Amino acid sequence: GAVVSQHPSWVICKSGTSVKIECRSLDFQATTMFWYRQFPKQSLMLMATSNEGSKATYEQGVEKDKFLINHASLTLSTLTVTSAHPEDSSFYICSASGSEGWADTQYFGPGTRLTVL
Amino acid sequence: GENVEQHPSTLSVQEGDSAVIKCTYSDSASNYFPWYKQELGKRPQLIIDIRSNVGEKKDQRIAVTLNKTAKHFSLHITETQPEDSAVYFCAASKENFGNEKLTFGTGTRLTIIP
Repeated sequence: GAVVSQHPSWVICKSGTSVKIECRSLDFQATTMFWYRQFPKQSLMLMATSNEGSKATYEQGVEKDKFLINHASLTLSTLTVTSAHPEDSSFYICSASGSEGWADTQYFGPGTRLTVL
Repeated sequence: GENVEQHPSTLSVQEGDSAVIKCTYSDSASNYFPWYKQELGKRPQLIIDIRSNVGEKKDQRIAVTLNKTAKHFSLHITETQPEDSAVYFCAASKENFGNEKLTFGTGTRLTIIP
């Protein structure tokens, strides 16, 4: 149980384009989802927290207009990187937490590697 | 906000020996302390966690200790094996629930020497 998937697993795009990354909880309802960014050889940095049906809460220094987060259902959250630039190239990882039996920890997705040319 | 420091940044141990990784946190309100193992290009994998109402937890070769007074917690891996080689992250959050944000340490690259 507690499977979280991400799609795509990797993506290459041109500078200036937008990229959408999906995060799905496959076997539980995710009341809260988190988006992290991880640069090479660095730790996971939280970008934002989203609760189903509410606006995401962004961490200090994360541009909400650049990183659009939507958590419209209890099984799906999306992160859209708008007008991507090479410095946005990173490993993006989502995690999800639910209620009751799924509330004890965060369950991580496999990550999406974004390369912006 | 919460700040989690982790040491050492790299650690090499002989196969069969023990490895210890230490973390300190700043927010006395933190109550949940998970440890993750991450292999290159993969998701963090929860290996053990501890909550503030206990001081130690063990799962086979892995153990975690928590000292809330000193605000530090440690990961202990005994009888290390080559497959233990990975990057390990500690983390902390204020609640005992998964819907509270985690603050991660900077990571420790553990290498097991055969």
